[in-house]
Amino acid sequence: GAVVSQHPSRVICKSGTSVKIECRSLDFQATTMFWYRQFPKQSLMLMATSNEGSKATYEQGVEKDKFLINHASLTLSTLTVTSAHPEDSSFYICSASGIWGSGANVLTFGAGSRLTVL
Amino acid sequence: AQTVTQSQPEMSVQEAETVTLSCTYDTSESDYYLFWYKQPPSRQMILVIRQEAYKQQNATENRFSVNFQKAAKSFSLKISDSQLGDAAMYFCAYRSASREYGNKLVFGAGTILRVKS
Repeated sequence: GAVVSQHPSRVICKSGTSVKIECRSLDFQATTMFWYRQFPKQSLMLMATSNEGSKATYEQGVEKDKFLINHASLTLSTLTVTSAHPEDSSFYICSASGIWGSGANVLTFGAGSRLTVL
Repeated sequence: AQTVTQSQPEMSVQEAETVTLSCTYDTSESDYYLFWYKQPPSRQMILVIRQEAYKQQNATENRFSVNFQKAAKSFSLKISDSQLGDAAMYFCAYRSASREYGNKLVFGAGTILRVKS
């Protein structure tokens, strides 16, 4: 139980284009979703926190116009990297927080998305 | 603000032996949760073990156990009978029990664990 699906797992795009990454909670309602960025052999850096139906809260130094986050439903959040540049190439991970069927508070991670900008 | 420190960038262990990964944290809160996550080469984050700060008893999950020292703000992970599949990056993480922070995790820098056969 408490499964989070993240799609696509890998994406390659040209510089200047936009890319959307989806994060879905499959068997629970995710009231909060977190988006992280991870460079090789480094820790996860929190980019933003999104609560269903409200605007995302971005961490200091993260450009909200560059990384658009939408959390329109209790099962789906999206991260759109706008006008992507090679320096945006990275591994992006989402995690979803909510109440699972048993009533337990859960926090589950997606498998991540590797973005390569050419 | 809370911080988590993992002072060992890399560790090695012989298969079947025991290894301990260190983690310290800084917080002014008395109620919180601590976690160890494993990130294998697939990059999927996997929860290894969890500890509630209000519990004095150290958490155990099969071959994985923790040494939680609340006063010292230390939370080390012991892996017994190490297996090749334990090779991964391990992250220590902190979560406040305050509703203000929701389920937001603060991660340490990570420790790469190599298992030798």
